[in-house]
Amino acid sequence: DTAVSQTPKYLVTQMGNDKSIKCEQNLGHDTMYWYKQDSKKFLKIMFSYNNKELIINETVPNRFSPKSPDKAHLNLHINSLELGDSAVYFCASSQLGGGAPDTQYFGPGTRLTVL
Amino acid sequence: AQTVTQSQPEMSVQEAETVTLSCTYDTSESDYYLFWYKQPPSRQMILVIRQEAYKQQNATENRFSVNFQKAAKSFSLKISDSQLGDAAMYFCAYRSGSVSGSRLTFGEGTQLTVNP
Repeated sequence: DTAVSQTPKYLVTQMGNDKSIKCEQNLGHDTMYWYKQDSKKFLKIMFSYNNKELIINETVPNRFSPKSPDKAHLNLHINSLELGDSAVYFCASSQLGGGAPDTQYFGPGTRLTVL
Repeated sequence: AQTVTQSQPEMSVQEAETVTLSCTYDTSESDYYLFWYKQPPSRQMILVIRQEAYKQQNATENRFSVNFQKAAKSFSLKISDSQLGDAAMYFCAYRSGSVSGSRLTFGEGTQLTVNP
């Protein structure tokens, strides 16, 4: 009964490849996020979807493309992987509005290693 | 743009003792929320505690409490009766109060070691 799940947990691939990370939440939330944690452990927002609509699109290379088929799923596709893409990618979800601070719940993270 | 600063890259505490982790932030908004997240070696991000800026009362969750000083833009985390399981990286995070500003802005993190 994992609240926010990601697959895969580990991903090792060669430069130039294309890969996807999948995220699913069963909390009934309407908003999902992708964060990137770099080698120095710094966390930064990449994208956010609210009810399948893109609401946050930070300055990331356009090789990164998020897709939300429904409000319970958010995938991240990365084209032409580069060494600098190596990081841990976290998915998170929350319920916006409702008069309460929307706490974001995180998935376990996907450690991407580009060789 | 909002910024969050954690000035202590590393802290250590003896088991059963108390430790305080510092966090300051910069914002021009009056409505916002602050959070502390814990990241143990398993890398799972776990919510520790949250504070609404409009509330004067400091949030408390069991052994964890905050000292929220809105005028000083300070949000420190106090861990009482430290346990070995508290060893982790702790992140302070800011969220705007506007619905459209739902992103979390994180500090650099403080690595906490608990010594037996």
